[in-house]
Amino acid sequence: DAKTTQPPSMDCAEGRAANLPCNHSTISGNEYVYWYRQIHSQGPQYIIHGLKNNETNEMASLIITEDRKSSTLILPHATLRDTAVYYCIPRGAGNMLTFGGGTRLMVKP
Amino acid sequence: GAVVSQHPSWVICKSGTSVKIECRSLDFQATTMFWYRQFPKQSLMLMATSNEGSKATYEQGVEKDKFLINHASLTLSTLTVTSAHPEDSSFYICSARSGAWEAFFGQGTRLTVV
Repeated sequence: DAKTTQPPSMDCAEGRAANLPCNHSTISGNEYVYWYRQIHSQGPQYIIHGLKNNETNEMASLIITEDRKSSTLILPHATLRDTAVYYCIPRGAGNMLTFGGGTRLMVKP
Repeated sequence: GAVVSQHPSWVICKSGTSVKIECRSLDFQATTMFWYRQFPKQSLMLMATSNEGSKATYEQGVEKDKFLINHASLTLSTLTVTSAHPEDSSFYICSARSGAWEAFFGQGTRLTVV
């Protein structure tokens, strides 16, 4: 599995966009980039995933660089409930998810 | 997204006793289920992977005789912590997946062994 590098923590003002970066320079061609988040004392929640095209859903947008070595998760209008640890996980189809340290996002009023 | 239900949400047990945790996929058939453990301020660590009807595959360092996993149906997997000790106190989380698609997680079970 590809290794990832995420900043350990970030702050964001409520109502502003939160941009969470992830470096996955060793990602292989068949690995998707998955994003999950974990709110305190809960199980992880699936957010979004992509292979090479940018993706958007009701929760977030995922921007993947052309060389696929990095990606950015965008929460367009962060709320206090978005405070959580965000995990970027490259994963091949059928493989298990391996969690790294993630980014602790603190949304502040 | 799909719903995975884990029960109980928390449990306190005496040292030396066994505890069973259930994980159910409510609206899909889970061909594969995963069990994770998470200690305070740490990330999730995969304990084992189980496919329906097969024996679980344990990660290195996880004792299969201590953490019994049963995946007898496509909607239910159980994790039994046998002869629990205080060092087994942790947050246990299951995950279920159908085929190669994204996995969904239960809400977790906080186990405290006293």
